[in-house]
Amino acid sequence: DVKVTQSSRYLVKRTGEKVFLECVQDMDHENMFWYRQDPGLGLRLIYFSYDVKMKEKGDIPEGYSVSREKKERFSLILESASTNQTSMYLCASSLTGSAKEQYFGPGTRLTVT
Amino acid sequence: KNEVEQSPQNLTAQEGEFITINCSYSVGISALHWLQQHPGGGIVSLFMLSSGKKKHGRLIATINIQEKHSSLHITASHPRDSAVYICAVRSYPGGATNKLIFGTGTLLAVQP
Repeated sequence: DVKVTQSSRYLVKRTGEKVFLECVQDMDHENMFWYRQDPGLGLRLIYFSYDVKMKEKGDIPEGYSVSREKKERFSLILESASTNQTSMYLCASSLTGSAKEQYFGPGTRLTVT
Repeated sequence: KNEVEQSPQNLTAQEGEFITINCSYSVGISALHWLQQHPGGGIVSLFMLSSGKKKHGRLIATINIQEKHSSLHITASHPRDSAVYICAVRSYPGGATNKLIFGTGTLLAVQP
């Protein structure tokens, strides 16, 4: 069974704090993704990575950065958290190739106060 | 206009009813996914299809490539089917990184 884990289920941070969200997958997947999910907007892609140290911006990268130093781990960084970054954050991974399924982590609900 | 549209946005049904959720898309695709998300939970994949029809238990997914439309059916619905159902497409040509375009989801509540 593919397993994608995220470091926290719930997180509360203050405005201006630096926030790290960690994602780990155990199936040697090349691709990893960070999404945020907001009511009425669905899932939106923040960043994705197709290999170690490789990353590409998604649809809404502003205010975020990512790090992928090891194949199994993909980190999302909020350099200076703001209240509009309060959201559900979901990590996913997949193999490379056409029509490969994405496997999702349980999500981290981040509240920035 | 979103590239992936789902209807309805909210659906309440009585236990045992037949349920249909629709998804329309405006881009060329290589695959369409139906996903399920329970309250507070992660997302699990129900189906991935590129043509025709797939069935798993009480769930049936169909796709009409010419009409750019897919439906998810639930037969003999049960309260445990209550969840958000999300349609997502992999656009073509999409490259090898498997990026998906998501609909906004359908919130289904099945009452006993």
